[in-house]
Amino acid sequence: KNEVEQSPQNLTAQEGEFITINCSYSVGISALHWLQQHPGGGIVSLFMLSSGKKKHGRLIATINIQEKHSSLHITASHPRDSAVYICAVRSWVNYGGSQGNLIFGKGTKLSVKP
Amino acid sequence: DSGVTQTPKHLITATGQRVTLRCSPRSGDLSVYWYQQSLDQGLQFLIQYYNGEERAKGNILERFSAQQFPDLHSELNLSSLELGDSALYFCASSLGNEQFFGPGTRLTVL
Repeated sequence: KNEVEQSPQNLTAQEGEFITINCSYSVGISALHWLQQHPGGGIVSLFMLSSGKKKHGRLIATINIQEKHSSLHITASHPRDSAVYICAVRSWVNYGGSQGNLIFGKGTKLSVKP
Repeated sequence: DSGVTQTPKHLITATGQRVTLRCSPRSGDLSVYWYQQSLDQGLQFLIQYYNGEERAKGNILERFSAQQFPDLHSELNLSSLELGDSALYFCASSLGNEQFFGPGTRLTVL
């Protein structure tokens, strides 16, 4: 079982739709990151959060520490939002030698059609 | 542009060979992290350096090693390469908790 699970794995949406990507984790964390990876491979950090909610433009990220769950929402989706969205957690415990370092989900591949 | 640079962008080599990947962190960042992204495993943490010292080790093979130099750039050395080492290798840098990723080096082992 992966320590960080994302759903769905693949998501196709029409331009303008509201999109939600979910992330559940099973370890204690100090922070959760949402990353965006474009088809060319580059990774951009979208959010880092440890509680509550953050908003940046059309992107909103929420986290519920008690439920060990986070969501990434995209409002008014656009074809340029097409990318892989990766959830990563910074664990408190020494997991595979990566104490305090990031444990990644497998990613959600989003395709937004015009 | 994250401010983190990686060279080379692409590398094609043969099994058994040795390669060196280079990373220059953002100005002022003291930590450098190395990650491997393969099709079947996703992103995995390899190793972290902080101000020249190894800080944490993840799933890094014994055939792989890294170092961070006094000017804070870092190199990841991969030796006795196998087909399964083909992957994207990212470095990231940070001053605090937020990490900034480089564009990656795509390694293909034939």
